[in-house]
Amino acid sequence: ETGVTQTPRHLVMGMTNKKSLKCEQHLGHNAMYWYKQSAKKPLELMFVYSLEERVENNSVPSRFSPECPNSSHLFLHLHTLQPEDSALYLCASSQDLSRNGETQYFGPGTRLLVL
Amino acid sequence: EDKVVQSPLSLVVHEGDTVTLNCSYEVTNFRSLLWYKQEKKAPTFLFMLTSSGIEKKSGRLSSILDKKELFSILNITATQTGDSAVYLCAVGYYNQGGKLIFGQGTELSVKP
Repeated sequence: ETGVTQTPRHLVMGMTNKKSLKCEQHLGHNAMYWYKQSAKKPLELMFVYSLEERVENNSVPSRFSPECPNSSHLFLHLHTLQPEDSALYLCASSQDLSRNGETQYFGPGTRLLVL
Repeated sequence: EDKVVQSPLSLVVHEGDTVTLNCSYEVTNFRSLLWYKQEKKAPTFLFMLTSSGIEKKSGRLSSILDKKELFSILNITATQTGDSAVYLCAVGYYNQGGKLIFGQGTELSVKP
């Protein structure tokens, strides 16, 4: 247990569906992240939030919409996804974005399959 | 383009063996290099290295960074089946707090 939880753990959705991924951290951290991990590819940083403000959007398509209502919760809203979006989506948190930003604690991920 | 390259991509050893995993990088504004272990799903933090030549050690695992040659190694001695995992290397940047670029990982399998 890293102190970062994600729900759901598995998700199957059609291309016309709308769904949301949820992440919660119990570590008192101020920064949260979304990553995408596709098979045989490196983890790709998608979004970075610091104190509920988005500070990084790594050229992610608009069909992925993040939301950070407070420093403990992070959502990823999904709509009209493509089959190539099927991947493991990992949430992470860190104390802040200073020298402590690199030490990130990851959740277990949501395995997403888009049909 | 910044990149992090790990080798080998996969490795099969027997219990008791010693393994060395490699990570090389080409990154502007390098600040730190990190190693993570990924079993099943969630990567877990192992080490963060910022200075050349200073070994970090945790039990049977150790790591060192060479900022001149732009690489790091992760050593695991007396491997156990529980060491089987994907080992990820990542690099962090100055002035871009929290941004990490990851390598593709080395999949280690330790056989009894």
